[in-house]
This record gives sequence, C-alpha cells and structure tokens, in this order.
Amino acid sequence: SQKIEQNSEALNIQEGKTATLTCNYTNYSPAYLQWYRQDPGRGPVFLLLIRENEKEKRKERLKVTFDTTLKQSLFHITASQPADSATYLCAAGQNFVFGPGTRLSVLP
Amino acid sequence: ETGVTQSPTHLIKTRGQQVTLRCSSQSGHNTVSWYQQALGQGPQFIFQYYREEENGRGNFPPRFSGLQFPNYSSELNVNALELDDSALYLCASSLWGTGWGSPLHFGNGTRLTVT
Repeated sequence: SQKIEQNSEALNIQEGKTATLTCNYTNYSPAYLQWYRQDPGRGPVFLLLIRENEKEKRKERLKVTFDTTLKQSLFHITASQPADSATYLCAAGQNFVFGPGTRLSVLP
Repeated sequence: ETGVTQSPTHLIKTRGQQVTLRCSSQSGHNTVSWYQQALGQGPQFIFQYYREEENGRGNFPPRFSGLQFPNYSSELNVNALELDDSALYLCASSLWGTGWGSPLHFGNGTRLTVT
C-alpha cells in the first residue's frame, strides 16, 4: 500500500539555523507532494506544493525539493525562529496520504 | 472569505452510540474530505465528497458514512462507536478535487472521545 515516512518524530534545532525535514514515499509515484504545518489543537495549514516535474520550490524562508529517483522530498526552513515550532506533515498523491509528521522545536 | 468550520469542537460518547459531525466548507470550494487523526499520527483519509457523491474512500468500515449538501457543507456519521474511534476528526475543503493537486483547507477538527 502507499506509504509516507518522515525521517524523525522530533527535531530540535537552534534559532537561526536551517531545519531540514525529510519525507520518503514507497509503493507509488505521486504527481505532486504537499507540505503542511500543524499547531497543537489546530488543523493542518497548507504551506507548499511541488510537482514531479519541479525540482525545487521556494516561498519566503521555505524551500521544498522533490527527487523522484530517491522517492524523497526535503523541506527546509532557513533562519529558523521559535515561531516555526510546530508539526510538519508531508502528503502525497490522490486522496492525500499523509506521513506521521515531524515535530520541530526551534530553541531560542 | 470564510474558512472551514467544524462543530462541535469536543464530544464525548459511549461505546455503541452514534455520532454526527458537521463541517462548513470554505466559500467557493466544491469538494470536502474527512480525515481521522489519532494522537501523534498523521491524518488518515476517510472519504471525499464531490458534487454530493462519494468520490473516494480510505480503509474505513461502512459504519463511517457521510453526506455533502448542495451548499457544499458536509456531515460525517459514525455508527456503533468503538473505543478506537477516539480521535481528532478533520474536515478539509478544496476546489475541483484532490486529483488536481488543489491544496486542502482544514478546519480545526472535532475531538471525539469514546468511553
């Protein structure tokens, strides 16, 4: 069955550093991947979409890459801030198969 | 622009009971999807409705059912509640349907506890 894995359950980084989150997918080839942010007690919020023919997408301090050979997407937050602390979810394919999420903590 | 709203925000039910959760889509959106999110997990797709018909279903039993109304609002019904049904239920609206890659706009969910 289609499966999404995210590299770690939790990631702690120092303020100002770049956070890199990994999303790996197996058993299918999605035409696009999406990244969402979820704060405690809230629904996920859409951040970025990247299509299979796009290698990289940027939005302000966010950058997403999509490597169809490795079946992997990387999500980067540059110049991270404590306000970036949240759970980040990767989703792929029709009906949006979601990964388990990575809980990012940016330490001041 | 009105976002996605869900009601109620919290609900406690007893095993074996039935529950109905409600969702109002973001204005202009014609597709609604429902997800179940257990604590510490990612959302799991339950089903999607487009033009008032089910347009895809995840690995959930028939006791999970839904409706979409002409104004694109939606209901999720769960019969014969089980303890494992305790979770956050998320509604998301989108335009055209997920096959187009249209981003999902989520509500803040209904927290269901089954005792």
